[in-house]
Amino acid sequence: QKEVEQNSGPLSVPEGAIASLNCTYSDRGSQSFFWYRQYSGKSPELIMSIYSNGDKEDGRFTAQLNKASQYVSLLIRDSQPSDSATYLCAGGGPNAGNMLTFGGGTRLMVKP
Amino acid sequence: DGGITQSPKYLFRKEGQNVTLSCEQNLNHDAMYWYRQDPGQGLRLIYYSQIVNDFQKGDIAEGYSVSREKKESFPLTVTSAQKNPTAFYLCASSIRTGNYGYTFGSGTRLTVV
Repeated sequence: QKEVEQNSGPLSVPEGAIASLNCTYSDRGSQSFFWYRQYSGKSPELIMSIYSNGDKEDGRFTAQLNKASQYVSLLIRDSQPSDSATYLCAGGGPNAGNMLTFGGGTRLMVKP
Repeated sequence: DGGITQSPKYLFRKEGQNVTLSCEQNLNHDAMYWYRQDPGQGLRLIYYSQIVNDFQKGDIAEGYSVSREKKESFPLTVTSAQKNPTAFYLCASSIRTGNYGYTFGSGTRLTVV
């Protein structure tokens, strides 16, 4: 059973701080990883993708991938109350026909 | 604009009734997926289709049915056999080759009355 694991949270951070969201995966064949943000009552929205070991930065967001440790993370710098949402981690690869396996999500709360 | 359209946004079902949720995409994506999400929970895969006229059961297919007669459309029927259908239903699509993630529709919230 291919799994993607996330701490359900809630993760509470003060406004302006760095929020660190973590994810581990079991399928070593996974090659592509994605972070989705889901506001309450809304559908998931893709915010970051990462395919290679290392860091990928986009604005206030940084995705980190460590394939040896089977670990993916998302850092949100200068967290804002509008970042309060559930963040879903997903991984996929050719072994699964490029289908994604989703983690259960981490709820982030940014307090003013 | 390309995207996925789910309709209706809200749907109410009476006991013993079948209902159909619509999902249409104009992204020219080959693969389409249906997920169910319960409050505070993650996504659970109901059915998926990677090509027209073919679809596969996901983890919780019992009580649901789908069809894929056109590349653009992947409707989901919630049958009377699904005893606890109240949930948020999400449709998604993706390309088949390469992996660029899924695009999600806005969802349908189904409530049993």
